[in-house]
Amino acid sequence: AQKVTQAQTEISVVEKEDVTLDCVYETRDTTYYLFWYKQPPSGELVFLIRRNSFDEQNEISGRYSWNFQKSTSSFNFTITASQVVDSAVYFCALSANAGGTSYGKLTFGQGTILTVHP
Amino acid sequence: DTEVTQTPKHLVMGMTNKKSLKCEQHMGHRAMYWYKQKAKKPPELMFVYSYEKLSINESVPSRFSPECPNSSLLNLHLHALQPEDSALYLCASSQGLSTGRMNQPQHFGDGTRLSIL
Repeated sequence: AQKVTQAQTEISVVEKEDVTLDCVYETRDTTYYLFWYKQPPSGELVFLIRRNSFDEQNEISGRYSWNFQKSTSSFNFTITASQVVDSAVYFCALSANAGGTSYGKLTFGQGTILTVHP
Repeated sequence: DTEVTQTPKHLVMGMTNKKSLKCEQHMGHRAMYWYKQKAKKPPELMFVYSYEKLSINESVPSRFSPECPNSSLLNLHLHALQPEDSALYLCASSQGLSTGRMNQPQHFGDGTRLSIL
């Protein structure tokens, strides 16, 4: 079975602080994909990044960076110099084959509500 | 602007009404999805269509009836809903369903906020 755990339910920071959102996953598949989505109050889930199980390179995109560590089954997301516009719910998600039964299924974590105060 | 368009954005209906939610994408994607999301919860998968055929039904009650008229359109027909069906309904699309396409992200619409009176 697939499982994604986002232990932080809510995080509150002041603008310009750095913040890290944690994501831990479980899967028996050797090939799998991890995603981060952002959901602002408007409702749309915005795709942020994808990482496959064979690529452990960290990635940086502007103020966003991601740290993927297979040894700890973690895929953490850091926002540097946070801004009020970063306030949203962030979901980590896993896509795996699960023996051919899970095509098209994303397993989501419970989400982390990030509030950035001015 | 989102590339997946959902209408209406808000819908209020009584338990005896019949209504439909609509979703459209023009990215050439061959997989389309319906999700239900309650407040402060992650999206829950309801249905998946692949090449206009129903591929996954997550044991959704029959009062929800999906339809995929063509590769760009996805509808969700609603009838005799219950108050607990009030939620945000999200549509998504992706390139396709296959082992080779699991890495492709799903693209979501803004959703329809549904309230059942």
